Amino acid sequence: SQTIHQWPATLVQPVGSPLSLECTVEGTSNPNLYWYRQAAGRGLQLLFYSVGIGQISSEVPQNLSASRPQDRQFILSSKKLLLSDSGFYLCAWSQNQGANGYTFGSGTRLTVV
Amino acid sequence: DAKTTQPNSMESNEEEPVHLPCNHSTISGTDYIHWYRQLPSQGPEYVIHGLTSNVNNRMASLAIAEDRKSSTLILHRATLRDAAVYYCILNAGGTSYGKLTFGQGTILTVHP
Repeated sequence: SQTIHQWPATLVQPVGSPLSLECTVEGTSNPNLYWYRQAAGRGLQLLFYSVGIGQISSEVPQNLSASRPQDRQFILSSKKLLLSDSGFYLCAWSQNQGANGYTFGSGTRLTVV
Repeated sequence: DAKTTQPNSMESNEEEPVHLPCNHSTISGTDYIHWYRQLPSQGPEYVIHGLTSNVNNRMASLAIAEDRKSSTLILHRATLRDAAVYYCILNAGGTSYGKLTFGQGTILTVHP
């Protein structure tokens, strides 16, 4: 069966520090991968998506970047965190352009102080 | 992206059916209708999806209007564990690489 792992679950980082959140998927190959952010407790905003290794599309201008070094690994990064980067970050994957639904990770609660 | 409109909140009693409405008047012919729900501090959970015909699974039923401009998620017997935020989302599939555009969703409260 397919599973998605996302870590860490919670993170408190000072302003100006770097960030690296990792997401891995098991039990499938060549998935579409997504990073979402939920800032206010409701409504998710798509940040990045990837349809293959090394292929990253950004949806909104921001202080973050994403990379996909392996087929089932998706990384969200920042060189210098801002207070506004605080939020709940979620990784998700899909097959067949999402025709059969999406599976989300358990999320990372990031607080920038 | 085509948008959806949902009530901000709804309430139900335990073991009663719940009908969660969603309007999507600008839906295109290839858009799938997806429903997800989210518990506090957790990632969204897939509930059900459909294109034109009504759909049933172990979690819920999805009733799609004939003109596809609205749909209803049906929880046949609400339990306390069904209390969550429910999102109705249109997925354009291959034309958008499967990207989902989330709205504010409906907060469902279930009373014992």
